[in-house]
Amino acid sequence: AQKITQTQPGMFVQEKEAVTLDCTYDTSDQSYGLFWYKQPSSGEMIFLIYQGSYDEQNATEGRYSLNFQKARKSANLVISASQLGDSAMYFCAMREALLGANNLFFGTGTRLTVIP
Amino acid sequence: EPEVTQTPSHQVTQMGQEVILRCVPISNHLYFYWYRQILGQKVEFLVSFYNNEISEKSEIFDDQFSVERPDGSNFTLKIRSTKLEDSAMYFCASTTPGAGSPLHFGNGTRLTVT
Repeated sequence: AQKITQTQPGMFVQEKEAVTLDCTYDTSDQSYGLFWYKQPSSGEMIFLIYQGSYDEQNATEGRYSLNFQKARKSANLVISASQLGDSAMYFCAMREALLGANNLFFGTGTRLTVIP
Repeated sequence: EPEVTQTPSHQVTQMGQEVILRCVPISNHLYFYWYRQILGQKVEFLVSFYNNEISEKSEIFDDQFSVERPDGSNFTLKIRSTKLEDSAMYFCASTTPGAGSPLHFGNGTRLTVT
């Protein structure tokens, strides 16, 4: 079974609008972390935001926020006030058993295109 | 801000040749990783390394692959006899222990096997 599912291969958003990128995950661990990474066309992987499984509040980092719904096992990324530079691939990822440093499992990604 | 550096940025090799991809993780990080991404596809875990040994590896990481930390700063991935299907972007990453520590990725090495 897939640990991370991203069902939107591509998304379009108008500049200055908000957009939500979906991510659902599958784990039986109680302790895990959820991460979002951005991959622009230049290829590097840029860490955006983190949510811990025990965190009560949704994570926020500038224009990025994570809509964490634990019971539904979803961790959607919300980008507010989209900019042209937000056009990129976005990957949701999960790490289980945070006390160790287990590897990240990645989803298949969503390609976001911001339209001027 | 400290960063993970990878060299070379692009490597072209002939099928059957050995390649070594090099990485310098962030200096105070203790966990090191190699991932690969075939063009346009998902990012796949290859191997994690801690305390001078492999802590976890995927089924992709077969006997053709090996990792080494030859000194206090470098972390290398060796592919002994490259195949066409090894063509991919290879990412090195490192992190610290602790809840919520993100993996910091290098810019990748694009390997092309001809």
